[in-house]
Amino acid sequence: DAKTTQPTSMDCAEGRAANLPCNHSTISGNEYVYWYRQIHSQGPQYIIHGLKNNETNEMASLIITEDRKSSTLILPHATLRDTAVYYCILPSGDTGTASKLTFGTGTRLQVTL
Amino acid sequence: AAGVIQSPRHLIKEKRETATLKCYPIPRHDTVYWYQQGPGQDPQFLISFYEKMQSDKGSIPDRFSAQQFSDYHSELNMSSLELGDSALYFCASSWTDRNSYNEQFFGPGTRLTVL
Repeated sequence: DAKTTQPTSMDCAEGRAANLPCNHSTISGNEYVYWYRQIHSQGPQYIIHGLKNNETNEMASLIITEDRKSSTLILPHATLRDTAVYYCILPSGDTGTASKLTFGTGTRLQVTL
Repeated sequence: AAGVIQSPRHLIKEKRETATLKCYPIPRHDTVYWYQQGPGQDPQFLISFYEKMQSDKGSIPDRFSAQQFSDYHSELNMSSLELGDSALYFCASSWTDRNSYNEQFFGPGTRLTVL
């Protein structure tokens, strides 16, 4: 699996944007970047994924640099319920196959009042 | 919307006993994954099944076995339980698209405690 590097922890004030960086300098051309989060002891939750272009959905935005060596997950208006561990993951295997997720240490985001 | 169902949610066993965890994927999902999360650790992949065939295997002990049935539900069988098997066990499901990876939807987990 291509390795990812994330800060161990971050704080964000409620209502502000949370910007979570991820470095994946060894990413290969056809590897997608996926983001998941895990709220304490709950099952991990899919957030968003992308290949080259920036992506946005109802939960977040994903900005991928042009060289694809890093990305940033943006939660535009963080709330207390966004407090979780956020994982940046590059699934292993080829496209069209059932690809396991390899969870690194992730970023523990603490949203405060 | 239907989610992944896991049962039981909590399970307490003695050392050397056997446990069976069940997972019911989201309807029409063809792939099931099992993950183990020890206390204070990140989830670790155990095993996956695609269309009832084992598709990948991670750090799953030989004491554990799993299968996916014709209705796509899956069971994780754990024998000769050890104290270190105490963990949260998550099942996830996805629909495998030939053109891209697909997001995995996780269940609420089964908390196994081995005494």
